[in-house]
Amino acid sequence: RKEVEQDPGPFNVPEGATVAFNCTYSNSASQSFFWYRQDCRKEPKLLMSVYSSGNEDGRFTAQLNRASQYISLLIRDSKLSDSATYLCVEKKSSGDKLTFGTGTRLAVRP
Amino acid sequence: DAGVTQSPTHLIKTRGQQVTLRCSPKSGHDTVSWYQQALGQGPQFIFQYYEEEERQRGNFPDRFSGHQFPNYSSELNVNALLLGDSALYLCASSLGRGEAFFGQGTRLTVV
Repeated sequence: RKEVEQDPGPFNVPEGATVAFNCTYSNSASQSFFWYRQDCRKEPKLLMSVYSSGNEDGRFTAQLNRASQYISLLIRDSKLSDSATYLCVEKKSSGDKLTFGTGTRLAVRP
Repeated sequence: DAGVTQSPTHLIKTRGQQVTLRCSPKSGHDTVSWYQQALGQGPQFIFQYYEEEERQRGNFPDRFSGHQFPNYSSELNVNALLLGDSALYLCASSLGRGEAFFGQGTRLTVV
């Protein structure tokens, strides 16, 4: 079983739609979780960290459920510029390597 | 402030050859990690360097080796290249155990 699993998509949604991505992780000892965004042929960039209490940054909301070992990302009011691959990432401890999922591709159409 | 810079940006090599990729970390960063990203996959951790020593290593063969210099820059060396080594190689730097910032990567094609 992969350490981090994501639905690869693609998700094809109209502008203004709300879209949700899900991710599961296998190691219950994992400490930190993140969502990264990667544009085509570019490097991954940190979108947001994920906390058990849930966190929101503008149109983006991330949630962590430790009991179910499940992470989610919700994007509201999708923009064309949100089109990218969204990578779910876990880190077992501070300073440890990042473990990435395969990524979920989002295409927002006019 | 320059971010993480990698060179070269693109490279084509023949099977069996050796390649060296280079990374300059973000100013003030002392830790460098290397990742391999195959097409359609997420980045896979190769190894991490701190204080010129390999601190952690992922599940990659010994053909993959690295080095960190006193100025914190780093090299990734791959020997006896295989077709399957074709990928985007990403370098990430951080200050100690802080947030990692990625360079734009080196796209390696093995023919």
